[in-house]
Amino acid sequence: DAGVIQSPRHEVTEMGQEVTLRCKPISGHNSLFWYRQTMMRGLELLIYFNNNVPIDDSGMPEDRFSAKMPNASFSTLKIQPSEPRDSAVYFCASSLSDALDYNEQFFGPGTRLTVL
Amino acid sequence: AQSVTQLDSQVPVFEEAPVELRCNYSSSVSVYLFWYVQYPNQGLQLLLKYLSGSTLVKGINGFEAEFNKSQTSFHLRKPSVHISDTAEYFCAVWGRSTDKLIFGTGTRLQVFP
Repeated sequence: DAGVIQSPRHEVTEMGQEVTLRCKPISGHNSLFWYRQTMMRGLELLIYFNNNVPIDDSGMPEDRFSAKMPNASFSTLKIQPSEPRDSAVYFCASSLSDALDYNEQFFGPGTRLTVL
Repeated sequence: AQSVTQLDSQVPVFEEAPVELRCNYSSSVSVYLFWYVQYPNQGLQLLLKYLSGSTLVKGINGFEAEFNKSQTSFHLRKPSVHISDTAEYFCAVWGRSTDKLIFGTGTRLQVFP
């Protein structure tokens, strides 16, 4: 079985440019999570979707960040304009959620973003 | 609010020695507890989880953890580590009230030959 797929694995861009990170969840999963990992703040939940609907975006740092999930098999996290402090590893995770209890989240390999 | 504290940012240990990685949590309601491992340049992989039942939980790669409600701890242990156990280990808590997985800051386990 293919796990969570993220692309690109590495992204280097210049300050001010738009960055789009992509995620394909595990087939059949109905919840999708975007996390950011930095040395200073550790692993933070940015936003999560359930059945393609954003449920909690309180972790999104500012308006420069936006996330979409147009269908059950694809999600994007966009940063526009990017800044050096956005440099981090961004993880996508998915789970089969019944909204009644915890369901294991499966993580993708991450996208390492460097903003110069 | 739920939170997780991992007291040690780094734990160096020699191969075949025992190791304990400490985790304490705070929550006013029942929670589920997890340990994840992250190998270099990879995503997080679930090591083990405590949902209910026996407080001693066994996971993959010979790791185990004990849930201690009175001390609000969920320490991870392995009796004999290998070089291949070198990785970052994250403790996490999930509570039904928030429906979020809250991670600790991680402990880097470095195993030396």
